[in-house]
Amino acid sequence: RKEVEQDPGPFNVPEGATVAFNCTYSNSASQSFFWYRQDCRKEPKLLMSVYSSGNEDGRFTAQLNRASQYISLLIRDSKLSDSATYLCAVIILTGGGNKLTFGTGTQLKVEL
Amino acid sequence: NAGVTQTPKFRVLKTGQSMTLLCAQDMNHEYMYWYRQDPGMGLRLIHYSVGEGTTAKGEVPDGYNVSRLKKQNFLLGLESAAPSQTSVYFCASSFQIYGYTFGSGTRLTVV
Repeated sequence: RKEVEQDPGPFNVPEGATVAFNCTYSNSASQSFFWYRQDCRKEPKLLMSVYSSGNEDGRFTAQLNRASQYISLLIRDSKLSDSATYLCAVIILTGGGNKLTFGTGTQLKVEL
Repeated sequence: NAGVTQTPKFRVLKTGQSMTLLCAQDMNHEYMYWYRQDPGMGLRLIHYSVGEGTTAKGEVPDGYNVSRLKKQNFLLGLESAAPSQTSVYFCASSFQIYGYTFGSGTRLTVV
């Protein structure tokens, strides 16, 4: 079983729609949680960190459910510029240091 | 600030050739990482380093070696390239568990 799993999509949504992505993680020792955005052929860039209390940044809301071991990302009022791949990532602390482990990513296409 | 710089950006190798990918960061980060990204596989950790002079294996270390002789540099070596190593390679650095910064990637094709 992969340590971090995501639905690969693609999610094709009209502009203005609300879209939600979920991600599950298998290691209960996971310490920190993130959503990254990756544009085609570019490096991943941090979108937001994810906290148990939930956090919001403009049109983006992230939530962590430790009991069920999943994190979510909600995008409201989708824009064409939101089209990208969204990667969830978790940090697992090991004796050798922390490791950022990624899901395979969910592709979002926002259409007119 | 340059952040994380990877060289080269593109490379084509013949099977059996060797090469070294260079990652340089100017943020004084202790932690550095090498990932590879393949279609449908996400980013997978190859090797990482928690400080100058230290290295550790990640998820897919076979066929690669690394060195961290200076804090700001993390080198990834392919001793005998294979077509299965065709991929996009990303380097990253971080301050402990926060603030991962990625380089722009190296696109490697092995023919």
